[in-house]
Amino acid sequence: GESVGLHLPTLSVQEGDNSIINCAYSNSASDYFIWYKQESGKGPQFIIDIRSNMDKRQGQRVTVLLNKTVKHLSLQIAATQPGDSAVYFCAGGATGTASKLTFGTGTRLQVTL
Amino acid sequence: GAGVSQTPSNKVTEKGKYVELRCDPISGHTALYWYRQSLGQGPEFLIYFQGTGAADDSGLPNDRFFAVRPEGSVSTLKIQRTERGDSAVYLCASSPHPGTEAFFGQGTRLTVV
Repeated sequence: GESVGLHLPTLSVQEGDNSIINCAYSNSASDYFIWYKQESGKGPQFIIDIRSNMDKRQGQRVTVLLNKTVKHLSLQIAATQPGDSAVYFCAGGATGTASKLTFGTGTRLQVTL
Repeated sequence: GAGVSQTPSNKVTEKGKYVELRCDPISGHTALYWYRQSLGQGPEFLIYFQGTGAADDSGLPNDRFFAVRPEGSVSTLKIQRTERGDSAVYLCASSPHPGTEAFFGQGTRLTVV
């Protein structure tokens, strides 16, 4: 079945630096991926998504890269700010399963001043 | 409302009791999802509704869990004979169509004592 995992449980980054959070998935049928940000006591907040027919997508200060060959995706945050401190989840789904997303365990991003 | 609303935000119940958790999705969103999140873990899929019908309930852990969405909008997750292991944050999400970005509510923290 689908499994989505993250390489590092905690990432510490200095304010102003760029952050890169990595994620691996196992299900070749996955064709839709989302990155979520979750702050303490809140629900996951949508950041950016990407479909398998793309290898890169950019948003405001964020870029998601998808490498289908090695089943890997990453989230890049430019000029990391203290407000970016949170747990970040990647989630994958397959169109045929109506967006039933499989989440990884998350990476905690800590932004130091 | 502007976002997905879940009530109550916190619920403490005694082992063996019955609980209902409510989700008000974003107006007009046809797809609704329930997830469960244990401490330090990513959300885990429970059930997905498309309109009034449960299109995928493969994530419900056992027959003590049941969810309804009678009018295609508000949904209620029902848990019978609660057990301490049911303690978690129950998240609801909705999306305009299946396969598009899902927006989460803030969750209901259920504690079974």
